[in-house]
Amino acid sequence: KQEVTQIPAALSVPEGENLVLNCSFTDSAIYNLQWFRQDPGKGLTSLLLIQSSQREQTSGRLNASLDKSSGRSTLYIAASQPGDSATYLCAVPPNAGGTSYGKLTFGQGTILTVHP
Amino acid sequence: GAGVSQSPSNKVTEKGKDVELRCDPISGHTALYWYRQSLGQGLEFLIYFQGNSAPDKSGLPSDRFSAERTGGSVSTLTIQRTQQEDSAVYLCASSSARGLRKTQYFGPGTRLLVL
Repeated sequence: KQEVTQIPAALSVPEGENLVLNCSFTDSAIYNLQWFRQDPGKGLTSLLLIQSSQREQTSGRLNASLDKSSGRSTLYIAASQPGDSATYLCAVPPNAGGTSYGKLTFGQGTILTVHP
Repeated sequence: GAGVSQSPSNKVTEKGKDVELRCDPISGHTALYWYRQSLGQGLEFLIYFQGNSAPDKSGLPSDRFSAERTGGSVSTLTIQRTQQEDSAVYLCASSSARGLRKTQYFGPGTRLLVL
């Protein structure tokens, strides 16, 4: 059974800092890994999706890396801003041999606070 | 364009009552998913619909939970004889194809409180 762990559980940084959020997964046979953002009381917004054949994806100040062999992904946020404050979640679909394609397994999330 | 919408946004009910939660996916999306987000459990998969295929119900926690998707579009999640432990945010998502390589787009959720 796939298990996804995110470290740290919470992070508070001053505005302008670069930061790294970590995600690890137990079954490395994944098709892709997705990072989401969730604002309080809201649904999830997809940030980046990394295919298993890729090592990283970039979108603006966000960069996500994937190391399948070690079961790890990182989300790097450059020059953090107060508007980045949210919960960040990583998720993976079932492994390559599975048939439940839609069944994302989520980490518990990292609560990020960026203070002015 | 319009995103995934869910209704109601909030629902308060008494223990033992039945509730229905609705999800309108993005137009043209063939895959639809239900998840539950609770304080102690994080985000959990409930059920997945893909086109006309039989749904994957493997995440439903008990037989009090059921879901249907009519006409390949709108979906309704029904919880019968609600219990206090059913209190959670129920999130719906949709994607444009059989999900592996496609992003899932989430709705804002329905916050269910069972008293």
